Amino acid sequence: AQKVTQAQTEISVVEKEDVTLDCVYETRDTTYYLFWYKQPPSGELVFLIRRNSFDEQNEISGRYSWNFQKSTSSFNFTITASQVVDSAVYFCALSEYNNNDMRFGAGTRLTVKP
Amino acid sequence: NAGVMQNPRHLVRRRGQEARLRCSPMKGHSHVYWYRQLPEEGLKFMVYLQKENIIDESGMPKERFSAEFPKEGPSILRIQQVVRGDSAAYFCASFLTLPELDETMFYTFGSGTRLTVV
Repeated sequence: AQKVTQAQTEISVVEKEDVTLDCVYETRDTTYYLFWYKQPPSGELVFLIRRNSFDEQNEISGRYSWNFQKSTSSFNFTITASQVVDSAVYFCALSEYNNNDMRFGAGTRLTVKP
Repeated sequence: NAGVMQNPRHLVRRRGQEARLRCSPMKGHSHVYWYRQLPEEGLKFMVYLQKENIIDESGMPKERFSAEFPKEGPSILRIQQVVRGDSAAYFCASFLTLPELDETMFYTFGSGTRLTVV
């Protein structure tokens, strides 16, 4: 069965610090997709990234970067030079190719203080 | 090209009333998922629908909850005889399968409906 663990419930940093949000997953499938979503205080879900299991290349998008390591079943998310607007709950999610549901982690609440 | 539209954004119901939540998927998307987010928790899968078909309802509570996605119109999540424990944010996601691409699924979420049962 698929499972996503975000061990960090809450993280608090000061603006301009770098911060890494951890995500560990479990799956028996060889084909699957990993996602990160941001949920700001307004409540909507903002798509950040999707990764398929065959692509272990790390990705950078502005201040955001993702480190996908199949050997450790992890898909960690780093925000460089954090800003107050980054304050949100961040969810990691897994979708198996032959399964119908996207399984979410419990989320990490990030607070960036000025 | 409008995104996934959910309405209402906020819904208040008294215990015992019915709640109807609507979701219009993105244009061209024929697959819809419903998720529930209890306060301070992650999202939990409820049901997966295609047009006129329930594909997987393994996450739906056995009683009082039902979902449909008719040929015409939005998908509806219906909660009968609501109780306080139903208070949550309900999100709908639609996706498009593109078998010719490497990545075959792209999920788009609506803004959610926040149900409060008083």
